[in-house]
Amino acid sequence: GEDVEQSLFLSVREGDSSVINCTYTDSSSTYLYWYKQEPGAGLQLLTYIFSNMDMKQDQRLTVLLNKKDKHLSLRIADTQTGDSAIYFCADLGSGNTGKLIFGQGTTLQVKP
Amino acid sequence: DAGVIQSPRHEVTEMGQEVTLRCKPISGHNSLFWYRQTMMRGLELLIYFNNNVPIDDSGMPEDRFSAKMPNASFSTLKIQPSEPRDSAVYFCASSSGGKTGEQYFGPGTRLTVT
Repeated sequence: GEDVEQSLFLSVREGDSSVINCTYTDSSSTYLYWYKQEPGAGLQLLTYIFSNMDMKQDQRLTVLLNKKDKHLSLRIADTQTGDSAIYFCADLGSGNTGKLIFGQGTTLQVKP
Repeated sequence: DAGVIQSPRHEVTEMGQEVTLRCKPISGHNSLFWYRQTMMRGLELLIYFNNNVPIDDSGMPEDRFSAKMPNASFSTLKIQPSEPRDSAVYFCASSSGGKTGEQYFGPGTRLTVT
């Protein structure tokens, strides 16, 4: 079946930029998403990108999509301690089913 | 909007007991998803509904698990009998079913089976 892969852990200093990477296998992907999960909470939708786009910016967040390499990244500028969380990449695939395929999540640790 | 509502937030029960988890999706959403999250297995899709009809229950681990959606504003996930390995956080999510497909998650129910 289709798969989404992420590295498990990233540590950065407060004020630096963070880049969280994701790869997916479904060549018919239509939409890809980034979710944030803080301790004890549900997954919060941060942003999503249509597969015909290669970049989307929303305040401190920049999403880059390389469709040829099936690679998605989330850049967080000026990372703050409040950004410490688990970040999940997800793939809608062709969209026929409405199901999302989630990666394992990347734990972002922000050091003061 | 209140977002996706789940109850209870925490449930502690003894092995063999019946457990019922509840979910109220966002008003107007027509797709509902039940997930389970554990350290070992990550986030797993258990079952999802479109317009109150179960579409794919291939993720339901065993016959001990069942889910219903009697109307557009309510769904339940039942475990009978419960076992310690069912301990996890259970999330409900809903989606409008539009082409962008984004799902909105509830806060989860943390289930502990002793």
